[in-house]
Amino acid sequence: GAGVSQSPSNKVTEKGKDVELRCDPISGHTALYWYRQSLGQGLEFLIYFQGNSAPDKSGLPSDRFSAERTGGSVSTLTIQRTQQEDSAVYLCAIRAYNEQFFGPGTRLTVL
Amino acid sequence: GESVGLHLPTLSVQEGDNSIINCAYSNSASDYFIWYKQESGKGPQFIIDIRSNMDKRQGQRVTVLLNKTVKHLSLQIAATQPGDSAVYFCAENKEDGTSYGKLTFGQGTILTVHP
Repeated sequence: GAGVSQSPSNKVTEKGKDVELRCDPISGHTALYWYRQSLGQGLEFLIYFQGNSAPDKSGLPSDRFSAERTGGSVSTLTIQRTQQEDSAVYLCAIRAYNEQFFGPGTRLTVL
Repeated sequence: GESVGLHLPTLSVQEGDNSIINCAYSNSASDYFIWYKQESGKGPQFIIDIRSNMDKRQGQRVTVLLNKTVKHLSLQIAATQPGDSAVYFCAENKEDGTSYGKLTFGQGTILTVHP
C-alpha cells in the first residue's frame, strides 16, 4: 500500500545466515503488524507493535525471530540462523480507521 | 482453535459474470470480518468489511454476506472484470481489546476472470 514501504523487496540468503527486513510506514500510525505468507497460504500473524513496544509477540515461530521498532515508525524483523522453512513473503501492515494497510512485502528465499 | 477457511481454492469465471467466493470461520467470538484482494507481487488490499451485528454490506460491485448461524462469509463480485483476477482472502478479528486487532486469515481463493 501507499502508506507502507518495505525493503528489500527480495532477499536470497544461505541457510544459517542472519537477515534483517525493514518496514517503513508513513508517520502517525502507532499500530504496526508483521505477518508471514508462505507459498500458496494465507497470512500468519507474527508480532504487533503499539508504538515502540510489542504487547503481542505470540506469532513469532521461534527464538530465532525478533523484531523492534524505533521512534514509533520504522520496524525491523530479524531472523537469525535462517532455515529453509523461513522462506516466505514477510508483510508489514499499519492500522488506520480499523483497516490494516499492507506493504508490498519482502520475499525471503533461504537456499 | 481459531481458524478461517475457504471452501474453494480456485474459481474461474467469464468476464461479466458474477463471482461468489466463500469462507467458513470457526471462532464464534469473532466480531469483525474483512475481505482482502491480493495481486501478484503486492500486499493484500482491503475490499470490504462487515461487523457481526450485520448480515449484509454492499460496496461498489461487491457485497459481503455474513451468516452467523452457520459461520459462513461470502464475497459477491458483480460483473466480474479481468482486473478482478487475484487471490481473495477472508480474515477475522475479535475486537475485545485482547487481540490487538491482529487478523486471522483464511487460505485464499484464486479468482481467474477470462475475457
